[in-house]
Amino acid sequence: GAGVSQSPRYKVAKRGRDVALRCDSISGHVTLYWYRQTLGQGSEVLTYSQSDAQRDKSGRPSGRFSAERPERSVSTLKIQRTEQGDSAVYLCASSLIGGNPYNEQFFGPGTRLTVL
Amino acid sequence: DQQVKQNSPSLSVQEGRISILNCDYTNSMFDYFLWYKKYPAEGPTFLISISSIKDKNEDGRFTVFLNKSAKHLSLHIVPSQPGDSAVYFCAAIPTSYGKLTFGQGTILTVHP
Repeated sequence: GAGVSQSPRYKVAKRGRDVALRCDSISGHVTLYWYRQTLGQGSEVLTYSQSDAQRDKSGRPSGRFSAERPERSVSTLKIQRTEQGDSAVYLCASSLIGGNPYNEQFFGPGTRLTVL
Repeated sequence: DQQVKQNSPSLSVQEGRISILNCDYTNSMFDYFLWYKKYPAEGPTFLISISSIKDKNEDGRFTVFLNKSAKHLSLHIVPSQPGDSAVYFCAAIPTSYGKLTFGQGTILTVHP
């Protein structure tokens, strides 16, 4: 199918190392979101990008998280100097038009990151 | 600070009965609310939504109720079916800002 895909599905990283997570969104979708979902604690948005912006707008105060969009339908979430607290499921979502909740967000299956 | 809370981590219901999943929020800027359903190894999929100008939205077996004064919403599934067994997330969004805030999720198990 032509849904949102993410890779890798599972990632184990040593504390302090950098990791990169990939998202392939639905062709034609404009806005890409990255969410972090922690077990039992809900989720938070990390960053999002609209249109062809290569550098994403970070929703988090920490500079360790950033996202780039080398192609319109591809986004890479980069986490620098990983911490154990970064262990979570990272979800990517895309929507046809950004900023309007009536435009449904389609989610990928997520990448489960474990930081040791 | 969790702005969207689902206080019941799990719910078990008999097939054919009603399932009621609850969600509370604290941010008064939220004016659009959604429920997502998630199966294992898959991403969340949209189920039903409601705007803050309404207090009820119905779609087949699924009905979402919104109580703005209590900052509470609920999802009713009637009748419940075994295929409804999944994790249900409520989410909220201020319409001026497209990012969703999710609750922790509730695992629904519907027994045959």
